Amino acid sequence: DTGVSQDPRHKITKRGQNVTFRCDPISEHNRLYWYRQTLGQGPEFLTYFQNEAQLEKSRLLSDRFSAERPKGSFSTLEIQRTEQGDSAMYLCASSLGRGDKAFFGQGTRLTVV
Amino acid sequence: AQRVTQPEKLLSVFKGAPVELKCNYSYSGSPELFWYVQYSRQRLQLLLRHISRESIKGFTADLNKGETSFHLKKPFAQEEDSAMYYCALSRMDSSYKLIFGSGTRLLVRP
Repeated sequence: DTGVSQDPRHKITKRGQNVTFRCDPISEHNRLYWYRQTLGQGPEFLTYFQNEAQLEKSRLLSDRFSAERPKGSFSTLEIQRTEQGDSAMYLCASSLGRGDKAFFGQGTRLTVV
Repeated sequence: AQRVTQPEKLLSVFKGAPVELKCNYSYSGSPELFWYVQYSRQRLQLLLRHISRESIKGFTADLNKGETSFHLKKPFAQEEDSAMYYCALSRMDSSYKLIFGSGTRLLVRP
């Protein structure tokens, strides 16, 4: 599968623990997006990278959230001191350039207990 | 603020019946509108975008700026159309991020 891949697919963690998710975009796609989807809702934008630069962050992204894309390839999303409200599906998407079709990964489902 | 509204959580039709999934948006500028689809156990994927003005799998959608709507239509539903459908808009700014509606589940019965 040469599409966007995310790891892990599922993560169960205790409240207060830190978690990190990884996204590998389609090769040569310079734009990478993170979205969060809660039950019964559509995906909500969290942040986006153009190459290694993080150019926009949503207000949804509290101080406990941090995202990186160190070499302009894969990206990580870390959540510190997880809360039950962080339980959601975290989706990654990539596109070649501005206005190009966005391809989504299968997501990482986080459950905070 | 930008917003996408999909008023129906679930739409159930019989095979061969026409389908219309409603989508309304609010945005002061000129957005680009999309329909994304998620089949069972598959990832979210683009179905169509208004600037392409194409028909994909028999689905069409016309942007009505006066009514700020982008309804998805298909004249004859097939069982394989059963899926979750999301309407989305992009502001066409530098980020080109997507703003999604809450989705409509389409169930096509045999």
